[in-house]
Amino acid sequence: QSALTQPASVSGSPGQSIGISCTGTSSDVGSYNFVSWYQHHPGKAPKVIIYEGSKRPSGVSDRFSGSKSGNTASLTISGLQAEDEADYYCCSYAGSDTWVFGGGTKLTVL
Amino acid sequence: QVQLVESGGGVVQPGTSLRLSCAASRFRFSSHGMHWFRQAPGKGLEWVAMIWFDGRDENYADSVKGRFTISRDNSKNTLYLQMNTLRAEDTAVYYCASFLGDNPAGYFQYWGQGTLVTVSS
Repeated sequence: QSALTQPASVSGSPGQSIGISCTGTSSDVGSYNFVSWYQHHPGKAPKVIIYEGSKRPSGVSDRFSGSKSGNTASLTISGLQAEDEADYYCCSYAGSDTWVFGGGTKLTVL
Repeated sequence: QVQLVESGGGVVQPGTSLRLSCAASRFRFSSHGMHWFRQAPGKGLEWVAMIWFDGRDENYADSVKGRFTISRDNSKNTLYLQMNTLRAEDTAVYYCASFLGDNPAGYFQYWGQGTLVTVSS
């Protein structure tokens, strides 16, 4: 149950697009199409923005999109807004009713 | 509005026990798998444990297996985490969350605000 690998930080200016990668192994990301992404503003409850790799829950902006290739999942945020500044975590099902998270990526909107 | 409210956190000494609770309201608690997570200071989220909607099965992260026990009381809409033999590395904010979907397809839908557990002598 090793953590998925995410960049520690990314940044972008309002209106730009950024991407966050999430690298796992053939035992988690590579084996299942059950990667989800969570936005976490410190002190608040995490919020799902992408599930099953690329699906958006109702109410989540279409500026958020997800994809997967091999053992790496990716989150793209387009048209960056100030309120997007938060920590972002990927999460993958890892088999046998276990889940594994990435270490988190701090997004700074410049 | 759906609410998940964790309680039971506090400061405890290494080797002792603590029980966390997660009270759910305004959603069909008994129909959802429930999970515990934690976030150590300055660290990322870590999945800790899960229990099926009817309590018939559960599973744990290797880091807590054998020390923590997850349980639920669907008649009280409450989730529990019994933490025994606590270690300094268990210090974290603990969150509960509900799972939406046909396990494992789906996602962690509703989250609580967290309760802080500090293990220190």
